[in-house]
Amino acid sequence: GENVEQHPSTLSVQEGDSAVIKCTYSDSASNYFPWYKQELGKGPQLIIDIRSNVGEKKDQRIAVTLNKTAKHFSLHITETQPEDSAVYFCAARTTGANSKLTFGKGITLSVRP
Amino acid sequence: KAGVTQTPRYLIKTRGQQVTLSCSPISGHRSVSWYQQTPGQGLQFLFEYFSETQRNKGNFPGRFSGRQFSNSRSEMNVSTLELGDSALYLCASSQGSEGDTQYFGPGTRLTVL
Repeated sequence: GENVEQHPSTLSVQEGDSAVIKCTYSDSASNYFPWYKQELGKGPQLIIDIRSNVGEKKDQRIAVTLNKTAKHFSLHITETQPEDSAVYFCAARTTGANSKLTFGKGITLSVRP
Repeated sequence: KAGVTQTPRYLIKTRGQQVTLSCSPISGHRSVSWYQQTPGQGLQFLFEYFSETQRNKGNFPGRFSGRQFSNSRSEMNVSTLELGDSALYLCASSQGSEGDTQYFGPGTRLTVL
């Protein structure tokens, strides 16, 4: 089955700096890659997603890039703010009868004011 | 539109008991997926229901079961609770097509004593 790995497990940046979180996946049949943000006491919230027919997608301060050949995708957050501090999860979804979302273990992002 | 709602939000049970958790999806969504979230294992897929039928299942023992009603509301049941079942149980709803965005509820925090 699909395996999604996320590195590093924690990341600390200064407010205003950029943060980059990387994920790799194993199943070349995966074609949908969402990113979720989870704050304490809440469920994961979708922040951006990308499909395999697109290499990059941007939404204000957040962007995601996908490299299908290398099977990795990255989340880029520019001009980080303290409210960006949270746990971020990447996920990959395969196609076919057993299609499901497989999540990475998550990364804790801390933005220092 | 109202988001995904889950009840109860918190639950304390003892080993050997059983528990039923409820999830109401976003209006118009026909798919409900359930996940178990623990610090050690992260987000793990339990099962997905679509139009009252289980469409996909993760690698959990038969003690974990679910169902979906005609109004798309879903319940999951865990029988013969074990200490290791302590976790945050999340449900996510989507319209139901492959690759659709999943929207998560706030989760039910289950503690097994």
